[in-house]
This record gives sequence, C-alpha cells and structure tokens, in this order.
Amino acid sequence: NAGVTQTPKFRILKIGQSMTLQCAQDMNHNYMYWYRQDPGMGLKLIYYSVGAGITDKGEVPNGYNVSRSTTEDFPLRLELAAPSQTSVYFCASSTLGDEQFFGPGTRLTVL
Amino acid sequence: SQKIEQNSEALNIQEGKTATLTCNYTNYSPAYLQWYRQDPGRGPVFLLLIRENEKEKRKERLKVTFDTTLKQSLFHITASQPADSATYLCALYNYGQNFVFGPGTRLSALP
Repeated sequence: NAGVTQTPKFRILKIGQSMTLQCAQDMNHNYMYWYRQDPGMGLKLIYYSVGAGITDKGEVPNGYNVSRSTTEDFPLRLELAAPSQTSVYFCASSTLGDEQFFGPGTRLTVL
Repeated sequence: SQKIEQNSEALNIQEGKTATLTCNYTNYSPAYLQWYRQDPGRGPVFLLLIRENEKEKRKERLKVTFDTTLKQSLFHITASQPADSATYLCALYNYGQNFVFGPGTRLSALP
C-alpha cells in the first residue's frame, strides 16, 4: 500500500494564480482531511470529507475549495493565490474514530 | 473561547530520563485525544489514542493519560533516547467540530 500520496512536493505560485493540490489514498478510508501548517504552529483543518460526494468546511476554509468524486481522491483547489496561503499542506485519511494517516505534504510559496 | 495548548514550545531531556509533555484544553468536549510525532519536513505519524472514558493507555515506552476533569492529557516517554527527538502534537476530536491540533512541543533527548 502506498498510503496517502500528495503531489506536488513543492510549488511556487505568483499572487493571483490558481492551482490544485492532489491527494490520494489506497486504504479505502471514508474520511479525508486537508490541513495547513504554518512555521512553528500546529495543523489547522481546511476542509474534510466523510465520503464520496460529501465535503464540509473546517476551521480555515476561505480561499480554498475541495471536491470528492471518489473514495480515493480529495483534491484541494486554491483560487487567486495570496501570500497568506504560503504554508505546508497536509492531506490525511482515516476511518471514523481511528488514527489519521498523513501524506508527506506540499510546501507552497506564494510570491 | 476555545483553546488547546501544549506545555512548552521546546523541552530538553537527558537520555535515559522520562519526558513528560502536557496538553491542556479549554471549552472543548473531546470524544478522544490522539498524540502524533512529527519529524522535520514530514507528515505527523500517529502514536496513541485515548478515549474520554479511559484514564491511561500504554504502548511500549509510551504512556498517555487523560483527565477530563482537569481537561488535560499527559504524554510520557520513558528511557528517552536521542531517536525520540521530534515534535509531538496532541489532537482532540471534539463532538461536532472534528479534529483540533495543539501547537506541538519540540522534544530534544540529549545524549
């Protein structure tokens, strides 16, 4: 099993550009999450999904969008990138009430 | 307001001693609490989960306690080793709100 995979690993965007961060899991988990982690800080939940076709906002959803068309994939869309979105983004998956499995992260810089 | 705090940003411990990390929360009603380890440049890795009706959990050299009256969890690493050096994150699952992470404690186990 590959677990949770994320692409790309690194990306530099210009202000106003858009991009999609990809996340996939092969553990058949219903729950998937997107977090951002700023330097020296804990993880903040951006969006989460409890199954294909169902998504909901977390603590910091502004400036982001998600979709969940399959159990395996949970892409995160950034529209009109801003410097405040410079961060490391982690995708995670789990079953209800159990541990979260995290991907390796995407380091995004917006200049 | 709601808060989740970890006792200190950084903790130095001598090899062989027991490290104790603290996670305190305010105005949450967690169903369970998890502890994760995060190495630089990597995603968090799950260590232990403790439910609201449990007082203590152990796994090898790790022990976690959960006191819902004090609103506190303690995470212990016995016989610390330099390989235990990492950032440790607590995360609580709050009814109706999903996961909330603490800011983390950076542990350095010195030889």
